[in-house]
Amino acid sequence: IAGITQAPTSQILAAGRRMTLRCTQDMRHNAMYWYRQDLGLGLRLIHYSNTAGTTGKGEVPDGYSVSRANTDDFPLTLASAVPSQTSVYFCASSGTSGNTGELFFGEGSRLTVL
Amino acid sequence: GQNIDQPTEMTATEGAIVQINCTYQTSGFNGLFWYQQHAGEAPTFLSYNVLDGLEEKGRFSSFLSRSKGYSYLLLKELQMKDSASYLCAVMDSNYQLIWGAGTKLIIKP
Repeated sequence: IAGITQAPTSQILAAGRRMTLRCTQDMRHNAMYWYRQDLGLGLRLIHYSNTAGTTGKGEVPDGYSVSRANTDDFPLTLASAVPSQTSVYFCASSGTSGNTGELFFGEGSRLTVL
Repeated sequence: GQNIDQPTEMTATEGAIVQINCTYQTSGFNGLFWYQQHAGEAPTFLSYNVLDGLEEKGRFSSFLSRSKGYSYLLLKELQMKDSASYLCAVMDSNYQLIWGAGTKLIIKP
């Protein structure tokens, strides 16, 4: 039982490089989310997708893009990484969009931009 | 603006009871969630409150007062494995989750 799988687990990246964080779920959940978690701050939503083929911007979308070609995959791309994007990134999914209940999180991707 | 407040850190003794408070100011309310997050791991769901009152689930209980914009998570019979961060989150009128910064709970023997 995998749930949500994120890759890579950890990455060090030079500023200006392009990076894609992968997220795959096998629970057939409609809604998927990307959050970043920084020390002293709550989880902040970057982008979300309520269903395959649709995406939306969260609280901190600048510098990030997502796609949702199918139900299972929701990659997050940093087109040109900057040091302020150093963070732990969590992918999550839920069974229904909107008035949902439990979020299921991946194990996180720790990204360091130098 | 929208705001979730919870204490940064708390310390408690193994076997004791601890209450973690959360106050919120959000545009609308569609439920309040508590998640547990061990260091270096992903958050995991603990509880959900949408109506006023107490929800009990084993050693953990969660209380909500919508009129006061207030919730607490009560942990009984504390165990060392309860050492973790506890995240409060509120779903606003747009069904977006607003997260608190989390309360780091330290359990001492």
